[in-house]
Amino acid sequence: GAGVSQSPSNKVTEKGKDVELRCDPISGHTALYWYRQSLGQGLEFLIYFQGNSAPDKSGLPSDRFSAERTGGSVSTLTIQRTQQEDSAVYLCASSLRRFTGELFFGEGSRLTVL
Amino acid sequence: QQPVQSPQAVILREGEDAVINCSSSKALYSVHWYRQKHGEAPVFLMILLKGGEQKGHEKISASFNEKKQQSSLYLTASQLSYSGTYFCGTVDNNAGNMLTFGGGTRLMVKP
Repeated sequence: GAGVSQSPSNKVTEKGKDVELRCDPISGHTALYWYRQSLGQGLEFLIYFQGNSAPDKSGLPSDRFSAERTGGSVSTLTIQRTQQEDSAVYLCASSLRRFTGELFFGEGSRLTVL
Repeated sequence: QQPVQSPQAVILREGEDAVINCSSSKALYSVHWYRQKHGEAPVFLMILLKGGEQKGHEKISASFNEKKQQSSLYLTASQLSYSGTYFCGTVDNNAGNMLTFGGGTRLMVKP
């Protein structure tokens, strides 16, 4: 497809389980961002990739969160030992250029931790 | 540190104008504006760069005051389709790679 693709679109899990969220950016986009949006709230920055490199991981909320990007394309956000406060929509966006490029957002992965 | 948006919410009648403000405590490299409709992904509106360059949709206008570290989004002759939540995002000169968004401004346009 032409847009940013995220999967799963919905995920319900039990507290303490691990989850993986996947983002497939637009082909050729070197910049990739992950954001978290809690219900009715703003966009919380999590991590940014330029190619396969994540120069700044300070936005990740805790060491339970990790992310990687392979082949300059697909990215995976992993949350270990999920907690109820992790429930949110996780949005991925990609861009041709960092800082000055238009971000194209995916539809998000809605995570519910019971 | 995330930028601060004001107002938090605004209700307009169709045809009325609105201004949404975004301010930062840091020296900014760029300001980005996005609109998100309920249940949908945010959609790009405009980027304003240090030095005066702007890229965006023709019907949207915005300003960027580098000295004051502020940006404003101008919505004129509002239409029902303008309803949604508007987010400003900023990249500051020392942010490294972070594009940080404000808390959003909820806009509702009524007939």
